[in-house]
Amino acid sequence: QKEVEQDPGPLSVPEGAIVSLNCTYSNSAFQYFMWYRQYSRKGPELLMYTYSSGNKEDGRFTAQVDKSSKYISLFIRDSQPSDSATYLCAMSGAKTGGGADGLTFGKGTHLIIQP
Amino acid sequence: DVKVTQSSRYLVKRTGEKVFLECVQDMDHENMFWYRQDPGLGLRLIYFSYDVKMKEKGDIPEGYSVSREKKERFSLILESASTNQTSMYLCASNRPFWPQYFGPGTRLTVL
Repeated sequence: QKEVEQDPGPLSVPEGAIVSLNCTYSNSAFQYFMWYRQYSRKGPELLMYTYSSGNKEDGRFTAQVDKSSKYISLFIRDSQPSDSATYLCAMSGAKTGGGADGLTFGKGTHLIIQP
Repeated sequence: DVKVTQSSRYLVKRTGEKVFLECVQDMDHENMFWYRQDPGLGLRLIYFSYDVKMKEKGDIPEGYSVSREKKERFSLILESASTNQTSMYLCASNRPFWPQYFGPGTRLTVL
């Protein structure tokens, strides 16, 4: 079983829809959770960063962490064509908090927002 | 504003050449990382450094070495490039317990 599972997609939705992106993980030591957005041929860009369980909202983006289910989600409201990209989840353990031992990434979900 | 820069966006090299990829961050971060990203395999950690002159192997260090002589600069070296090292190379940096910030990437092609 892979440490982090993420559906690669593609996920295609019409403009204005609410998008739900998800990752599951197996390592109960993960405490720090991130979502990155990556446009084609560019580096990943940090979108959301959360510690432990709960919700965090930033504009049209909401990140949810359910540690009991080992499940994290990213919701995008009022989706725009410019949101079309690959979304990567990433996580790390409590010892380093995403520091010196790197992050464990999902393989990314390719999202397409149709105008 | 966070800034991680990489020396080249695109690079084409021949098999057997020695290749240097440079990364510079201006955020005074302690930690720096090199990843490679391949379709279907995702991001994989090659090496990381938590201090000047310190380095640790990641998941796939074979065929690579690194150098960190100054806090802001982290270099990835391919001692003898091979075609299976054709990939997108991503540098990142962070402070402990904070997210990693990535550079724009270097797309390396080895012929």
